Amino acid sequence: AAGVIQSPRHLIKEKRETATLKCYPIPRHDTVYWYQQGPGQDPQFLISFYEKMQSDKGSIPDRFSAQQFSDYHSELNMSSLELGDSALYFCASSFYRGTEAFFGQGTRLTVV
Amino acid sequence: GIQVEQSPPDLILQEGANSTLRCNFSDSVNNLQWFHQNPWGQLINLFYIPSGTKQNGRLSATTVATERYSLLYISSSQTTDSGVYFCAVEPGSSNTGKLIFGQGTTLQVKP
Repeated sequence: AAGVIQSPRHLIKEKRETATLKCYPIPRHDTVYWYQQGPGQDPQFLISFYEKMQSDKGSIPDRFSAQQFSDYHSELNMSSLELGDSALYFCASSFYRGTEAFFGQGTRLTVV
Repeated sequence: GIQVEQSPPDLILQEGANSTLRCNFSDSVNNLQWFHQNPWGQLINLFYIPSGTKQNGRLSATTVATERYSLLYISSSQTTDSGVYFCAVEPGSSNTGKLIFGQGTTLQVKP
């Protein structure tokens, strides 16, 4: 069965650079979520989209933005990167809000 | 906001042993999921269980929503069961599907 696809899997950036993470949800899933997991921590909700509209917002820095496109894929844009942004970034998708969410393999971002 | 507490925080088992992991939550929930994060960082769905009992092979889970807890049972543990087990809930006040995670239980199964 198709899963959530995230790219890239690994990314190394320098401080103050920008990064773009991509997420392709499971086919027919209309809801996308982004989470950030720091080392040794649990995943923290960042932002979600339902039918291409932002549906909820968590502890996402103002330096980050995201959107969901007409084909339902989503991109997380991160600017002015800081060392503290180093983390595993997960995208998840579900068929409608509040149903079972499935997670991608994550993008490991390292800021040096 | 809702608090999600998992216990125990760490667990070491011998292969073949059984275990019970607990997840307590402080308010009503719409959705509850259990995940296994393997050593490569993948979050693997175990159960979608807002209420009731489900079983999948050696794993089973029970959620008693009225008493605000869920249990994950692992029987005849294997070394491949090692990793971090997360409970995650969608608060009852939310209608967006966002999940709030507990801090996890780190399980190590020794051969």
